[in-house]
Amino acid sequence: QSVLTQPPSVSAAPGQKVTISCSGSSSNIGNNYVSWYQQLPGTAPKLLIYDNNKRPSGIPDRFSGSKSGTSATLGITGLQTGDEADYYCGTWDSSLSGYVFGTGTKVTVL
Amino acid sequence: QVTLRESGPALVNPTQTLTLTCTFSGFSLSTSPMSMSWIRQPPGKALEWLARIDWDDDKYYSTSLKTRLTISKDTSKNQVVLTMTNMDPVDTATYYCARVNQYYESSGYYVHALDIWGQGTKVTVSS
Repeated sequence: QSVLTQPPSVSAAPGQKVTISCSGSSSNIGNNYVSWYQQLPGTAPKLLIYDNNKRPSGIPDRFSGSKSGTSATLGITGLQTGDEADYYCGTWDSSLSGYVFGTGTKVTVL
Repeated sequence: QVTLRESGPALVNPTQTLTLTCTFSGFSLSTSPMSMSWIRQPPGKALEWLARIDWDDDKYYSTSLKTRLTISKDTSKNQVVLTMTNMDPVDTATYYCARVNQYYESSGYYVHALDIWGQGTKVTVSS
């Protein structure tokens, strides 16, 4: 019962760019910081983007984040086979007093 | 270096209570504004947030599961414990603990992100 909506899948050729959308509401994305998590096959999620558009140390600048109103977007440029993973957005929901995740998006490199 | 490690039973019978422990190092949960969360992921499905406990013992629970969940901490052991009662096969999942990176403003605490995750522990509910 994910509160945040993402496309189930996106794909592109190596070197190309993909974007993943995350749609929410004023109680979550609209008034709280958005994070993005990368989950490689068989591994735990890893923080990719925090505070809407900041990258933790060690995350390449091929990954970017943005937020506008009640939606957020993750961008991946220079797509690599190693980027094949599931990606989740997440944020605090002030009405639920709980953290909410997106439905998840599978990125496939063609 | 911050590390988190989940532990608990791999197999639980239906109706039993599940107890999971997250043992962490590299920070103290007794210091403001530290916080920890539990998250689970059923096979092939999305992440689902379960609970959070703050340095000052404030607790938050998933609205859909709150009657079954209890989160607690033992700061002397650097551990966070989650109990889930009345387990059902639909609760079969990988359970993760994660550190909550948050900040304080005059109006309260606000979450930056779940910045460090454990490797997860797989729990199967079956008789």
